[in-house]
Amino acid sequence: DAKTTQPPSMDCAEGRAANLPCNHSTISGNEYVYWYRQIHSQGPQYIIHGLKNNETNEMASLIITEDRKSSTLILPHATLRDTAVYYCIVRIPYFGNEKLTFGTGTRLTIIP
Amino acid sequence: GAVVSQHPSRVICKSGTSVKIECRSLDFQATTMFWYRQFPKQSLMLMATSNEGSKATYEQGVEKDKFLINHASLTLSTLTVTSAHPEDSSFYICSAIPGTGSYEKLFFGSGTQLSVL
Repeated sequence: DAKTTQPPSMDCAEGRAANLPCNHSTISGNEYVYWYRQIHSQGPQYIIHGLKNNETNEMASLIITEDRKSSTLILPHATLRDTAVYYCIVRIPYFGNEKLTFGTGTRLTIIP
Repeated sequence: GAVVSQHPSRVICKSGTSVKIECRSLDFQATTMFWYRQFPKQSLMLMATSNEGSKATYEQGVEKDKFLINHASLTLSTLTVTSAHPEDSSFYICSAIPGTGSYEKLFFGSGTQLSVL
């Protein structure tokens, strides 16, 4: 019952921008969009999150559509170390009963 | 930044034994922690939500007598796999939220690879 849909895999050339889409058409007004990535046999690593405005940090940019039904994670200059599985999650926290589920994610492969 | 420490990173045990995995929030108090398991090339599957001082909430299909979760303090949650069998072999990951009810980031442990012989 994952709330997000992502393509199963993508390739990107090293040095190019990697654009990873996520569909979250049932997102509610107070749910945030989070992006994590998981490199093989490690715990997920936080990348970025946002509500409705575009966000940028040292790792990536997050573009959320005006209707908030989809978003795109942008890695501006992909490197080989960006090869990982990227997960898009929507989250609505409230005391004591927050459920956090992952979709299938996108396996991003950076090509030399 | 906030750190979640998970231990051990790898454990091999014999069938029928019990294994305990610890998840600690090192520099923040975590009212809520989550436990996931992950099979090769699959996504993380939520097993249970652990709230400090109360019983864990298990997802459908997860045996609570098999996977015992204890969240006795605001910085420690443990998952005990009781009477482990080869089908319990998996990658187990915990996560924690600093500040219940906020939109803070979730932090994840580095995971525990359990191999049951």
